[in-house]
Amino acid sequence: AQSVTQPDIHITVSEGASLELRCNYSYGATPYLFWYVQSPGQGLQLLLKYFSGDTLVQGIKGFEAEFKRSQSSFNLRKPSVHWSDAAEYFCAVGANDMRFGAGTRLTVKP
Amino acid sequence: KAGVTQTPRYLIKTRGQQVTLSCSPISGHRSVSWYQQTPGQGLQFLFEYFSETQRNKGNFPGRFSGRQFSNSRSEMNVSTLELGDSALYLCASSRRDRGSKGTEAFFGQGTRLTVV
Repeated sequence: AQSVTQPDIHITVSEGASLELRCNYSYGATPYLFWYVQSPGQGLQLLLKYFSGDTLVQGIKGFEAEFKRSQSSFNLRKPSVHWSDAAEYFCAVGANDMRFGAGTRLTVKP
Repeated sequence: KAGVTQTPRYLIKTRGQQVTLSCSPISGHRSVSWYQQTPGQGLQFLFEYFSETQRNKGNFPGRFSGRQFSNSRSEMNVSTLELGDSALYLCASSRRDRGSKGTEAFFGQGTRLTVV
């Protein structure tokens, strides 16, 4: 069965600092992997996706993620966080029946 | 290009009632999936429809049902509402056709259902 684990429930970083959000997945075949962001009371916005090919994928808003099959990980990174990045971030595996992680809430300190 | 539209945005219902939520996918998208989001259980997959047929179903009781119309619009219905059904219900649409690869889902803003 496919599943996703996001080990960090809440992360606080200072504005301008780098960010890494962790995601581990369990999937029997080559996974489709996604990172979504959700602001309070809103739907989910796709940041980036991995289907195949280059294991380092670039997304919107300066985010990138690296697929590491050996570690079953798909961590999200950003070199310099902006205050507007404060939101909840979800990692997901699958396609049209996605399984989501529990989410990581990001707080940005001024 | 219009995004995924969900109506209504907010809904208050009484225990025991039933409710119908609507989702209009992005033009050209034939797959519609539904998700329930609650603080305790997080985001959970309900079901997916493609070409008016349910393709996948999550682990929810039979009180939760859905359908898809020929124009790809979808509705989900919850009968005999319980307090625990209070949640944000999200709809997502994608282009994926059966057998194809490489798809991504676009989400609507959701319907906030409160059961009292």
